[in-house]
Amino acid sequence: DTGVSQDPRHKITKRGQNVTFRCDPISEHNRLYWYRQTLGQGPEFLTYFQNEAQLEKSRLLSDRFSAERPKGSFSTLEIQRTEQGDSAMYLCASSSRGSNSPLHFGNGTRLTVT
Amino acid sequence: QKEVEQNSGPLSVPEGAIASLNCTYSDRGSQSFFWYRQYSGKSPELIMFIYSNGDKEDGRFTAQLNKASQYVSLLIRDSQPSDSATYLCAVKSITGNQFYFGTGTSLTVIP
Repeated sequence: DTGVSQDPRHKITKRGQNVTFRCDPISEHNRLYWYRQTLGQGPEFLTYFQNEAQLEKSRLLSDRFSAERPKGSFSTLEIQRTEQGDSAMYLCASSSRGSNSPLHFGNGTRLTVT
Repeated sequence: QKEVEQNSGPLSVPEGAIASLNCTYSDRGSQSFFWYRQYSGKSPELIMFIYSNGDKEDGRFTAQLNKASQYVSLLIRDSQPSDSATYLCAVKSITGNQFYFGTGTSLTVIP
């Protein structure tokens, strides 16, 4: 079990630039989630994939955010025209098919927008 | 009303004592409940999950669930300084697609 892998671990970018993060879930997990977490807050749901289908997307997510999971394997999260308010930890998690299966988180990508 | 509510703390207990962490949730149909531990600057790691009313024990950790009161708790016995972290309560939605997290309770175990 190699766990959930995220890349990069840290990203510093200037306001207005685009960034892309990658997540590789646990291989046998068909469900993949993206969360965002800021200091002192719990993880906030962004979007959810089952296999390659994006089934849910948070209403809080602006059009600058997009996520893909081609072929139901790894996923990417892109943020266009970054703003300082986008600075946060971006967490990817995966879970197996079972209705009670827990989330397993990756190490996260910490984004700093200057 | 938030889906999951926790006391943010901070909660301080002496080493060896029992730490009690509490969580309430709003969706009465929720079926699955999880506790995660998060060290500063790290990602959440799963400690326990519980689905049925009552207690579930795993080593020094006991999760308690009361669906009628929409309440779930985590007890940590013989608390150790290494238990100092933020503890997140998570509830899986009735649709089974979303996990809702509380804001977390910060625990400090004093040697």
